[in-house]
Amino acid sequence: EAQVTQNPRYLITVTGKKLTVTCSQNMNHEYMSWYRQDPGLGLRQIYYSMNVEVTDKGDVPEGYKVSRKEKRNFPLILESPSPNQTSLYFCASSFRPIGRGVSGANVLTFGAGSRLTVL
Amino acid sequence: GQNIDQPTEMTATEGAIVQINCTYQTSGFNGLFWYQQHAGEAPTFLSYNVLDGLEEKGRFSSFLSRSKGYSYLLLKELQMKDSASYLCAVRDEGSYIPTFGRGTSLIVHP
Repeated sequence: EAQVTQNPRYLITVTGKKLTVTCSQNMNHEYMSWYRQDPGLGLRQIYYSMNVEVTDKGDVPEGYKVSRKEKRNFPLILESPSPNQTSLYFCASSFRPIGRGVSGANVLTFGAGSRLTVL
Repeated sequence: GQNIDQPTEMTATEGAIVQINCTYQTSGFNGLFWYQQHAGEAPTFLSYNVLDGLEEKGRFSSFLSRSKGYSYLLLKELQMKDSASYLCAVRDEGSYIPTFGRGTSLIVHP
């Protein structure tokens, strides 16, 4: 089954304790991205990757790191989590769009989400 | 970047029709997406518009006017399971990356 898998799904941790949220996709997608979702703020992009070894900051990258050593994996690292990083996190992936029109629609496939609480 | 605006919340009655609007401002337009997200779940793709006009897909239709920076999602024959958030996302010219609006929470009541 084509899917994006995130782990853990739920995590409660304490301030300053490093953690990694893993993301893996089995669709050979070039593009991968991390979002956080907070009430009233919608989905905000943290980091994205166009391909292996190519990563770039999104709108809210502070306090996060990512790596893309393999095409299928895109882990999100919180080196020193703080309470303001308590959120629902989604990983997503897609093919690179080809041109404009319907063939250019890079439809995102999302993981099931990871709910993180930092105390 | 974009400025995307959609209503925060809407309510409708089962069996009715509801229209969810999305307005955007962008320096160069390269596609608009609608996603559906049930509470606590992942967003799922509904529709994509890159040219002006209406795209129909069963009970759901999406309309785009590029000159007005405007789109709407039309849901017909509403069902209780349509209660969800509906996310509008816009892609800039030359970018693969859609920016999401804050979403519209639709509540369908009997």
